[in-house]
Amino acid sequence: DADVTQTPRNRITKTGKRIMLECSQTKGHDRMYWYRQDPGLGLRLIYYSFDVKDINKGEISDGYSVSRQAQAKFSLSLESAIPNQTALYFCATSESLAASYNEQFFGPGTRLTVL
Amino acid sequence: AQSVTQLDSQVPVFEEAPVELRCNYSSSVSVYLFWYVQYPNQGLQLLLKYLSGSTLVKGINGFEAEFNKSQTSFHLRKPSVHISDTAEYFCAVSGGSNYKLTFGKGTLLTVNP
Repeated sequence: DADVTQTPRNRITKTGKRIMLECSQTKGHDRMYWYRQDPGLGLRLIYYSFDVKDINKGEISDGYSVSRQAQAKFSLSLESAIPNQTALYFCATSESLAASYNEQFFGPGTRLTVL
Repeated sequence: AQSVTQLDSQVPVFEEAPVELRCNYSSSVSVYLFWYVQYPNQGLQLLLKYLSGSTLVKGINGFEAEFNKSQTSFHLRKPSVHISDTAEYFCAVSGGSNYKLTFGKGTLLTVNP
């Protein structure tokens, strides 16, 4: 079984709809992250969480919100989706003990299309 | 602040040829460097990492990279590529107490027969 899973893997939605992307991990890591990937732009950090009670904005958090329901679960929400949020979204995890290295482990991604 | 520049957005090569994917970084603190690979329709997978010690690091699938502090580079190399190496490769840097893993924009390696 995969250590970091994301659901759904693909989603098509319409402008203005609320959508939630979910991430679960079995690695026992404290830290979790949400990134979006756009062609030619690499990965950009949306939100990150160092533990259940610690959630922080990344470089492109506008239009997104997150919830850390448990150590193993971290959800990303788009309250009112817009077409420029069409992208590939990745969840990642890392150990807090390795914070200064910050090696991260990635899920398979969710491809989101907003029409 | 830290940043990563991947100098080539696309690198086409023929099978069995050598390849080098270039990465330069900037950081005001000690750095830890990573190369990740993304195969088509998949997530990112760690290829190799430099944390300390020997500046030549070996990774999976025959890849290696050399950390050059004076040139602030961490280029990825493979002496002979295969069709299956076709993927996008990302260089990333993390430094000191900074939580953040900063990624380059990626290099698409296409291996042709």
